[in-house]
Amino acid sequence: AQSVTQPDIHITVSEGASLELRCNYSYGATPYLFWYVQSPGQGLQLLLKYFSGDTLVQGIKGFEAEFKRSQSSFNLRKPSVHWSDAAEYFCAVGAHNQGGKLIFGQGTELSVKP
Amino acid sequence: NAGVMQNPRHLVRRRGQEARLRCSPMKGHSHVYWYRQLPEEGLKFMVYLQKENIIDESGMPKERFSAEFPKEGPSILRIQQVVRGDSAAYFCASSPPFASNTEAFFGQGTRLTVV
Repeated sequence: AQSVTQPDIHITVSEGASLELRCNYSYGATPYLFWYVQSPGQGLQLLLKYFSGDTLVQGIKGFEAEFKRSQSSFNLRKPSVHWSDAAEYFCAVGAHNQGGKLIFGQGTELSVKP
Repeated sequence: NAGVMQNPRHLVRRRGQEARLRCSPMKGHSHVYWYRQLPEEGLKFMVYLQKENIIDESGMPKERFSAEFPKEGPSILRIQQVVRGDSAAYFCASSPPFASNTEAFFGQGTRLTVV
């Protein structure tokens, strides 16, 4: 079955510390992979995406993610977290011929300590 | 270029009433997707539409839910005889006509509360 797993429901990091949010997927076809961020009561903002090519993808707000096919993972990283990064983060997977039909993970809520 | 516009942003309905959620895709986008986000959960795909066609409704509940994307005007997600369990955030996304490496852009969502 196709699925996305974000093992960490809630993570707390100190401001300035590094961050890694985990994402594992199960998908039959070649996956397109995405990370979205959602602030409370808001919509989803695309942080970064992987379609093909270089497996290390740079996104907005200083985020990056690495696609590891052998591990079926697409973990999100940021070297130094800012208080404004506190939000819910969603990993999603789709197929090249299915446009915006995505499978989302449950989300990881990030809290940032001052 | 305005983004994906959803309205209303908040909607309160009594049990048994109908809810109509509207989505205007980005300019030039002809594909629309609806998602539902229950409290404390991720987004779940509901339906994929192109103009005047339902392409994939595999995520739609079998009863009370319907969606359309007419030739003119916004896409509409209709929920008839709402129940408390329909309370959720409903998101619409749109994407351009198919090319490789397309992505979907999401609206701000409509938060439906059934009382």
